[in-house]
Amino acid sequence: GAVVSQHPSWVICKSGTSVKIECRSLDFQATTMFWYRQFPKQSLMLMATSNEGSKATYEQGVEKDKFLINHASLTLSTLTVTSAHPEDSSFYICSANPGTVNGQPQHFGDGTRLSIL
Amino acid sequence: DAKTTQPNSMESNEEEPVHLPCNHSTISGTDYIHWYRQLPSQGPEYVIHGLTSNVNNRMASLAIAEDRKSSTLILHRATLRDAAVYYCILRDVGDDKIIFGKGTRLHILP
Repeated sequence: GAVVSQHPSWVICKSGTSVKIECRSLDFQATTMFWYRQFPKQSLMLMATSNEGSKATYEQGVEKDKFLINHASLTLSTLTVTSAHPEDSSFYICSANPGTVNGQPQHFGDGTRLSIL
Repeated sequence: DAKTTQPNSMESNEEEPVHLPCNHSTISGTDYIHWYRQLPSQGPEYVIHGLTSNVNNRMASLAIAEDRKSSTLILHRATLRDAAVYYCILRDVGDDKIIFGKGTRLHILP
């Protein structure tokens, strides 16, 4: 079945560092991918829609200069957390659709746990 | 996105059926009903989806009310591995993105 892979699974780094997270669709092409963040005991919050070959669409309240998204190919989207601070520590999850919508399910990566010291 | 309402948490005994309810009174005619679950420290996993008719797959069954204002996810024989947060989501046929609600945290008792 359709698989979405995220890398890395864990990141621990110092405050002020920029961190890049990769999201790959392994056996299908995805013109659109999505990025979520999740704090402990809370639900997933959609951050942005990543569009292949064009700018990402950010949800209200999400800083586009803080969370840089690049979707350079049909199988790869990256999220860069720039100048990360402890409040950016969270679980980041990506997802992608393997086909046209019509009710088809999305496929999610296993998430990246980011800890900023 | 139309909203869904789910109980915050539920408990069930291992090897017994589990019925997880979801209310979606403002559902539109083109909204699909999706269920996902999230195990601890993992990304969400697709469980099942449907539009009007009841649906079965290897993981679960989805029972949809005739007026489509509610649905029930049925796990026929719960195991400890089914302990997770279950999300009921409405997704329009033309909508790519998924907006998650709070979901139901399912506890399975051995």
